[in-house]
Amino acid sequence: EDQVTQSPEALRLQEGESSSLNCSYTVSGLRGLFWYRQDPGKGPEFLFTLYSAGEEKEKERLKATLTKKESFLHITAPKPEDSATYLCAVQAGDDKIIFGKGTRLHILP
Amino acid sequence: DAMVIQNPRYQVTQFGKPVTLSCSQTLNHNVMYWYQQKSSQAPKLLFHYYDKDFNNEADTPDNFQSRRPNTSFCFLDIRSPGLGDAAMYLCATSRDSSGAPGGYTFGSGTRLTVV
Repeated sequence: EDQVTQSPEALRLQEGESSSLNCSYTVSGLRGLFWYRQDPGKGPEFLFTLYSAGEEKEKERLKATLTKKESFLHITAPKPEDSATYLCAVQAGDDKIIFGKGTRLHILP
Repeated sequence: DAMVIQNPRYQVTQFGKPVTLSCSQTLNHNVMYWYQQKSSQAPKLLFHYYDKDFNNEADTPDNFQSRRPNTSFCFLDIRSPGLGDAAMYLCATSRDSSGAPGGYTFGSGTRLTVV
């Protein structure tokens, strides 16, 4: 069964303390892996798409990487405004999109 | 700015009273999706339209229906809302079914409360 698991469920960091969020997946025929940011009471906001193992994408303090079994979202020197839930989603060979439950990130000033 | 707009942002309905949520898009995307998201859970796909072709997820309850009268608009109808249907309902669009290159564009969601 296609599955997406994100860890940890929640993460509290001090401002400036770098860390990584994990998204592990088992799907038939990965077509793409997506990262989204979701603020409370709002819809997800697109961050990155990764298509193949070894690919990396960067945006400001965020960097996403992809292997054959997992993706990492690295956050370098985070600021309080980076606090949000980060969702990972994968697209399988049948075009279905499967979301993980997300990691709730809280950056303390 | 091109975007996905959901109305209303908050909807309170009575148990069993039909309710309709709306979504409009100015992106001219072919595909529109409805997701249900409960607190601290992953968004769950209910339906999607590829142009006028309707696709229903196998586990979407019969209580939920959808209409897409034209490219720009899509509606989610809940015929007899139950307490378990209280959730955030998210509308999303994509240019095609691959979601490439910019992923899906989501609206801000409608928070449904059932009393």
